Amino acid sequence: QSALTQPRSVSGSPGQSVTISCTGTSSNVGGYDCVSWYQQRPGKAPKLMIYDVFKRPSGVPDRFSGSKSGKTASLTISGLQAEDEADYYCCSYAGTYTLIFGGGTRLTVL
Amino acid sequence: EVQLVESGGGLVQPGGSLRLSCAASGFTFSRYWMSWVRQAPGKGLEWVANIKQEGSEKHYVDSVKGRFTVSRDNAKNSLFLQMNSLRAEDTAVYFCARIVGDGTVLDYWGQGTLVTVSS
Repeated sequence: QSALTQPRSVSGSPGQSVTISCTGTSSNVGGYDCVSWYQQRPGKAPKLMIYDVFKRPSGVPDRFSGSKSGKTASLTISGLQAEDEADYYCCSYAGTYTLIFGGGTRLTVL
Repeated sequence: EVQLVESGGGLVQPGGSLRLSCAASGFTFSRYWMSWVRQAPGKGLEWVANIKQEGSEKHYVDSVKGRFTVSRDNAKNSLFLQMNSLRAEDTAVYFCARIVGDGTVLDYWGQGTLVTVSS
């Protein structure tokens, strides 16, 4: 399977909202409510930010939210802060205990 | 505190082998599926393999099937990835991660170990 499709980059000013899309197929994003989002800062391990489309792990600010419509999932970050600058990856279940990631989106806080 | 620490990376020639390890602590290792994910230099994340709690079930991305083998030793709280017939395109940082929920969520990750395949 090909990687899920994400925009290569998005940007926003502090306080604004940004949305990152993640488009797949009926075999992954469209077929399961099992989309997660990971934040990765340079040289660091990925960090889980959203799972099961919209659920937030303990400790993740409620400025981060997730949604899904058909074959496209979205991560929205509201009240953008400088510390949100990072790479973001979506990940979907793809059947038979396999996972597929998106290509990643670089978020720049202007 | 959950900790995952990978080791075993290094420089290997094409066609060579390498065995990665991941030492787990801070949780009951035997109760969780575990996963390997890799990231080529400057590229995105790629899921590599999953293994069930007792090791009876394993799944791989197509590009490593027949070359990589995931295993675990629950008595030693350790996860392994045996990599054979290595190719240049296997060059990446390899992360181990804990799986939770219905097997689709990677909630804790190690810091990764770099594997470089080059002559």
